[in-house]
Amino acid sequence: QSALTQPASVSGSPGQSITISCTGTSSDVGGYNYVSWYQQHPGKVPKVVIFDVSNRPSGVSNRFSGSKSGNTASLTISGLQAEDEADYYCASYTSSSTLVFGTGTKVTVL
Amino acid sequence: EVQLLESGGGLVQPGGSLRLSCVASGFIFSTYAISWVRQAPGKGLEWVSAISGSSASIYYGDSVKGRFTISRDNSKNTLYLQMSSLRAEDTAVYYCAKVRGGSYYVIDYWGQGTLVTVSS
Repeated sequence: QSALTQPASVSGSPGQSITISCTGTSSDVGGYNYVSWYQQHPGKVPKVVIFDVSNRPSGVSNRFSGSKSGNTASLTISGLQAEDEADYYCASYTSSSTLVFGTGTKVTVL
Repeated sequence: EVQLLESGGGLVQPGGSLRLSCVASGFIFSTYAISWVRQAPGKGLEWVSAISGSSASIYYGDSVKGRFTISRDNSKNTLYLQMSSLRAEDTAVYYCAKVRGGSYYVIDYWGQGTLVTVSS
């Protein structure tokens, strides 16, 4: 199972919106509405910010939103803040009943 | 409060074996699936394995299939990962991760991880 493809880095200024893409196949991202996004600050454990494509867990800012089109899922962070600077990973359920993570994206707030 | 505490990591030679443990508390352990996820130093997340609450369903990632065995003892609230035929590329922090109820591998809690180093 190959890792899902994400851009290595995305940057934006405070207040701007950024979007991170996550491309898979019809056997994972495209086949199921079970895509999650995780935020990981340096030296910390990951934290889920979006699950099932577009659902936000309780306590996660509504500046985080998710969507999917075909084999590509996306995470949008609006009103970018300094605290959003972190690594972001997508993950998808697969047709083999396993989980596959994305390659990861480093978000930099300029 | 949900807590996951991993142990058993350390330095092991290539071809060797190691068993990781994860003691859980703060939730009804037997009713939740648990995953192992690893992260090589400076690298991304990689899903390793998962086991259902009853142990009826077990899955592995391609890179560890046939070498790693996941198991759990619900009477001890403990998850295990038996690792054998270890390779340098297995070097990573191994996280025990609770799967959100009723979900398809949504991880809602993570342990702090235990470092496994495979080197001669």
